[in-house]
Amino acid sequence: QVQLQESGPGLVKPSETLSLTCTVSGGSINSSSWIWIRQPPGKGLEWIGYIYYRGDTNYNPSLKSRVTISADTSKNQFSLKLTSVTAADTAVYYCASGYSYGFFYMDVWGRGTTVTVSS
Amino acid sequence: EIVLTQSPATLSLSPGERASLSCRASQSVSTFLAWYQQKPGQAPRLLIYDTSKRATGIPVRFSGSGSGTDFTLTISRLEPEDFAVYYCQQRSNWPRRITFGQGTRLEIK
Repeated sequence: QVQLQESGPGLVKPSETLSLTCTVSGGSINSSSWIWIRQPPGKGLEWIGYIYYRGDTNYNPSLKSRVTISADTSKNQFSLKLTSVTAADTAVYYCASGYSYGFFYMDVWGRGTTVTVSS
Repeated sequence: EIVLTQSPATLSLSPGERASLSCRASQSVSTFLAWYQQKPGQAPRLLIYDTSKRATGIPVRFSGSGSGTDFTLTISRLEPEDFAVYYCQQRSNWPRRITFGQGTRLEIK
């Protein structure tokens, strides 16, 4: 059974870069899609972007200029970098996968990690 | 860009009642629509994909219907554990995007 676990700093200063990693266990990153989603406090879900097993990426247009998603197949991990963060980037960040029902239906989720942007 | 609008924002019902949650797309998404349930402090859980297919382990009281721009998630008889926030989600092929609705909070009356 595939499981995901987010890791990274819980506090990031304004204007700096947010970096998170999602470790995949119980399955290979060399298949499926690997997705980042975030949820600001008390608000809904926002898709950030995804990376395919083939390495193709696609990003939310509203974040595209600041986002990079990459994968490290040797470590079975994928990562998120978000540059020039502001308080508006404070959120719970989830990694997810479209593992069983198609690339864009997220059936596997990490528990989420809270990132606060503050000086 | 496709926008998903969910209604109502909040739905107040009692256990045992039937719940109908709506999701309307700003343009056709064919049947490429999913529903998720999220409880406080938890990650979302996939309930329904491709409009009407239940994910593994999802009780039969959950069903989805619709096509094009209008979709419905129905919970036939509410159980106490069903009170949560529900999100619809679409995926478009071109441009390739994932979009969520703003959510419907299902609360105990």
